[in-house]
Amino acid sequence: DIQMTQSPSSLSASVGDRVTITCRASRYISSYLNWYQQKPGKAPKLLIYSASSLLSGVPSRFSGSGSGTDFTLTISSLQPEDFATYYCQQTYNIIWTFGQGTKVEIK
Amino acid sequence: QVQLEESGPGQVKPSETLSLTCTVSGGSIISYYYNWIRQPPGKGLEWIGYIYNSESTNYNPSLKGRITISADTSKNQFSLKLTSVTAADTAVYYCARAGRFSNAFDIWGQGTMVTVSS
Repeated sequence: DIQMTQSPSSLSASVGDRVTITCRASRYISSYLNWYQQKPGKAPKLLIYSASSLLSGVPSRFSGSGSGTDFTLTISSLQPEDFATYYCQQTYNIIWTFGQGTKVEIK
Repeated sequence: QVQLEESGPGQVKPSETLSLTCTVSGGSIISYYYNWIRQPPGKGLEWIGYIYNSESTNYNPSLKGRITISADTSKNQFSLKLTSVTAADTAVYYCARAGRFSNAFDIWGQGTMVTVSS
């Protein structure tokens, strides 16, 4: 299986901050990397697919980059509704795996 | 607008079989990958498996042959059976669609909590 490792596991930030979350794959996954946002008690929501494609309707302050094994999710100016847990996911090989999550909390 | 909704018992006894159904409305379950994902309380997401084109399946080997995913095209539903459950199978179970945007999961059900307990 391909292991996905996110860092940090949690972070504290203020409204307006720029936030970057990284995701590293244990093997090459091309650009088969997706990002999700999950709020407590809710299902995850897709934000970005294929490493850098923003899903329609997702605010442009979210962006993704990377290919191969190293990827980042950036929130350019954190908003109150962005406090949540973020997960990366690879769909490169036949066993699809998620990262362990990054919880973004209010400072 | 495609919507997914999970249904099934909220409690299952140890060693028994967990059975859940996901009903797809607003679209057909033929084409696309229809997945099951679970999330133990306070923990991360685990992909369980998918059914594609209502017949091809792919499962997470970590669940060691305990999984069966099947589809009923007449009802536009797909189902999960997980045998020999233990407390470690206690989780929120989600169904989700993939295949429109690469293989990303673009539509999710709201999730259903299943507790394994006697």
